[in-house]
Amino acid sequence: SQQGEEDPQALSIQEGENATMNCSYKTSINNLQWYRQNSGRGLVHLILIRSNEREKHSGRLRVTLDTSKKSSSLLITASRAADTASYFCATDPRGAQKLVFGQGTRLTINP
Amino acid sequence: DTEVTQTPKHLVMGMTNKKSLKCEQHMGHRAMYWYKQKAKKPPELMFVYSYEKLSINESVPSRFSPECPNSSLLNLHLHALQPEDSALYLCASSPRGDGNSPLHFGNGTRLTVT
Repeated sequence: SQQGEEDPQALSIQEGENATMNCSYKTSINNLQWYRQNSGRGLVHLILIRSNEREKHSGRLRVTLDTSKKSSSLLITASRAADTASYFCATDPRGAQKLVFGQGTRLTINP
Repeated sequence: DTEVTQTPKHLVMGMTNKKSLKCEQHMGHRAMYWYKQKAKKPPELMFVYSYEKLSINESVPSRFSPECPNSSLLNLHLHALQPEDSALYLCASSPRGDGNSPLHFGNGTRLTVT
């Protein structure tokens, strides 16, 4: 079974608004990663946050991690039409030496 | 464009055919992965090669046979597949196979089994 659950499953917002996606996971982790996937393409790595970090920024992306709640959030500020994609969180369950992906959030940015 | 190249982009095969998917990277990464992705679902891990040795097989049926001829190449040999095996097959690489570094994905092979 998948390690991560994401919500919402789908999100539709207007261009310029902020988009927030959440990820919850079940076991202890070393790190959590976020990926973007455009339709029919491969996944693109966005950001990696380690278990001893609480927040990380990259351009318009802000990721938080709460290991006590086993949850993470991805915030995309000032959204653009090009941000339309599916977003997945991925975790490495401790000792597993592999990445397991959450169910994903399909984000649509309306012009 | 990605730094992980997968061929072919599309493949249609019958249930009695034998075909191979190919993946290549020249980033010096020592871990390579096969993932299977069905429509509107997350990628599911199939195999991991670390330093050219198979380190993880997620109980994948034997009709899928991976091969890692060298650190830059990864193949997936297909034989006697079923229609439910139709999916997007994604190859990825990372510097190490320890789950602690980002994965670099190819754009996948869209496989249809008829």
